[in-house]
Amino acid sequence: DTEVTQTPKHLVMGMTNKKSLKCEQHMGHRAMYWYKQKAKKPPELMFVYSYEKLSINESVPSRFSPECPNSSLLNLHLHALQPEDSALYLCASSQGQVSEKLFFGSGTQLSVL
Amino acid sequence: AQKVTQAQTEISVVEKEDVTLDCVYETRDTTYYLFWYKQPPSGELVFLIRRNSFDEQNEISGRYSWNFQKSTSSFNFTITASQVVDSAVYFCALEGLVFGKGTKLTVNP
Repeated sequence: DTEVTQTPKHLVMGMTNKKSLKCEQHMGHRAMYWYKQKAKKPPELMFVYSYEKLSINESVPSRFSPECPNSSLLNLHLHALQPEDSALYLCASSQGQVSEKLFFGSGTQLSVL
Repeated sequence: AQKVTQAQTEISVVEKEDVTLDCVYETRDTTYYLFWYKQPPSGELVFLIRRNSFDEQNEISGRYSWNFQKSTSSFNFTITASQVVDSAVYFCALEGLVFGKGTKLTVNP
């Protein structure tokens, strides 16, 4: 199994809603990542978890809250988002380091109304 | 600061033409890794190659080849005899941390 699975594929939420994005991998990878990608832009790193601990937080606003319950799961909790947060949210995993190749999920397309 | 520059925003070629995508990077690290990823219209990024800073040998994989030149901080990607299925956005990246802006390649039949 070389897949990174993200759910849901699409999400529409209001600015007062609370929602969560989920990411799962069963490759035994120990590093997991969240990226934000706006249309026609490159992925922008948000968070990195390494061995279930948050190792990188790229100054992301607190309305985005990551969680890594175990080495196979990664969540992104969303609260009080703004319309400019609408984007494709990509999850990725690698064996253990940021210097290793990334396996990406297909993403969650988020629209904030 | 780390930076990756892909100066070519869009390239359009006719099938069977060769095409080179440019990538220039900046880093103060002495050890680093460079990557190329492909993002087809379906959206999922796919790994193409990883190269460490100590290995300047060019690499060839089928129709794909990569030219790493540390002296010019470049890591260029060439597709030989392009095909319509090569149409995608290609990103050069410095580890998993910094991506270039991407080059959209369109291969026309």
